[in-house]
Amino acid sequence: EIVLTQSPATLSLSPGERATLSCRASQSVSSYLAWYQQKPGQAPRLLIYDASNRATGIPARFSGSGSGTDFTLTISSLEPEDFAVYYCQQRSNWIFTFGPGTKVDIK
Amino acid sequence: EVQLVQSGAEVKKPGESLKISCKGSGYSFPNYWIGWVRQMPGKGLEWMGIIYPGDSDTRYSPSFQGQVTISADKSISTAYLQWSSLKASDTAIYYCARAGLGGPGAFDYWGQGILVTVSS
Repeated sequence: EIVLTQSPATLSLSPGERATLSCRASQSVSSYLAWYQQKPGQAPRLLIYDASNRATGIPARFSGSGSGTDFTLTISSLEPEDFAVYYCQQRSNWIFTFGPGTKVDIK
Repeated sequence: EVQLVQSGAEVKKPGESLKISCKGSGYSFPNYWIGWVRQMPGKGLEWMGIIYPGDSDTRYSPSFQGQVTISADKSISTAYLQWSSLKASDTAIYYCARAGLGGPGAFDYWGQGILVTVSS
């Protein structure tokens, strides 16, 4: 089973700053790498699928990149509503796994 | 509009059985995989399993195989997650989600979540 590791665990930034979140896989994954945002009391929301494709309605300030074992979610300029927990997720051989999450909080 | 509507919160005792549901609408329910995700209090997301309602093909996470049963009734556009004997450690929020993008490798629509509380 592929294990996903996310870093940092917490990212403290101010509105307007750039956020760079990392997701590393224990072995190479296919292109099935997704990113989700979750706010307290809400269901997760899909941001990025296939490593770099934005889901419907997701603002352009969110971008995904990477391949193999190293993936990155970048938020180019943080808006107040972007402070949340972010999870990466992969699918390999019909086993899905989530990373432990990165919390982006207000500095 | 695609929607996944889950059944209401549950409070159960250890050893009891439970079946929770997830009804899809606004799309062709049989043709999209539906996954189940657990979130224990204050913790992250854990994938439990996934089902293709069209033919009931089901895959489980090794961590949940044998612990839960996933099923679906395509005639009423509903997927289910069930336990035969609940434990206190099953206390969590359970989400259903449609795997509609990327192969499918990503969950594009989510239910609102069901809080299951297991306590004596």
